[in-house]
Amino acid sequence: GAVVSQHPSRVICKSGTSVKIECRSLDFQATTMFWYRQFPKKSLMLMATSNEGSKATYEQGVEKDKFLINHASLTLSTLTVTSAHPEDSSFYICSASPGTSFSGANVLTFGAGSRLTVL
Amino acid sequence: GQNIDQPTEMTATEGAIVQINCTYQTSGFNGLFWYQQHAGEAPTFLSYNVLDGLEEKGRFSSFLSRSKGYSYLLLKELQMKDSASYLCAVRDSNYQLIWGAGTKLIIKP
Repeated sequence: GAVVSQHPSRVICKSGTSVKIECRSLDFQATTMFWYRQFPKKSLMLMATSNEGSKATYEQGVEKDKFLINHASLTLSTLTVTSAHPEDSSFYICSASPGTSFSGANVLTFGAGSRLTVL
Repeated sequence: GQNIDQPTEMTATEGAIVQINCTYQTSGFNGLFWYQQHAGEAPTFLSYNVLDGLEEKGRFSSFLSRSKGYSYLLLKELQMKDSASYLCAVRDSNYQLIWGAGTKLIIKP
């Protein structure tokens, strides 16, 4: 089955520094990947849709200069949290689906998630 | 606005059956998904319904009624490892996934 690898699983950083999270589709090509954020006991919040070879599409209220997304290849998308602050501490999860569109029974496969703690 | 409702928490006994309900109001409908999420981990896919009726997959079954905007996930022969959050998600007319807040299921011996 489809596998999505996300790294790092946990990261602790100082306030003001930047952190990069990688998301790779291991056995399929993903034109589109999705980045989510999840607060404790809350639902998944879509942050942005990452499109290979073009700019990411950000959801309303998500700062694109704060959360930089790069989708340089069909198997890799990165999320960089720039100038991180304690309020950025959260669980970040990427996901992808085989194929060029998330339609039909194409299922989103999630990475294992990255727990970010900003001190 | 778009909304997915599911109970916040449920408790059940090992070996028993539990039904987790999900109601939705969305802009269009292109399928409903159930995911399982253990604490601190990413969600894993359980089931997909796009037509009315029951989809059975081992100990787990999922039901959909599009006219009622309603689905349920049925878990049989509960095991301790089934303790997790169960997320209901609906894909709307724009193929965007709308997520419920999840139902935390606690299994007791």
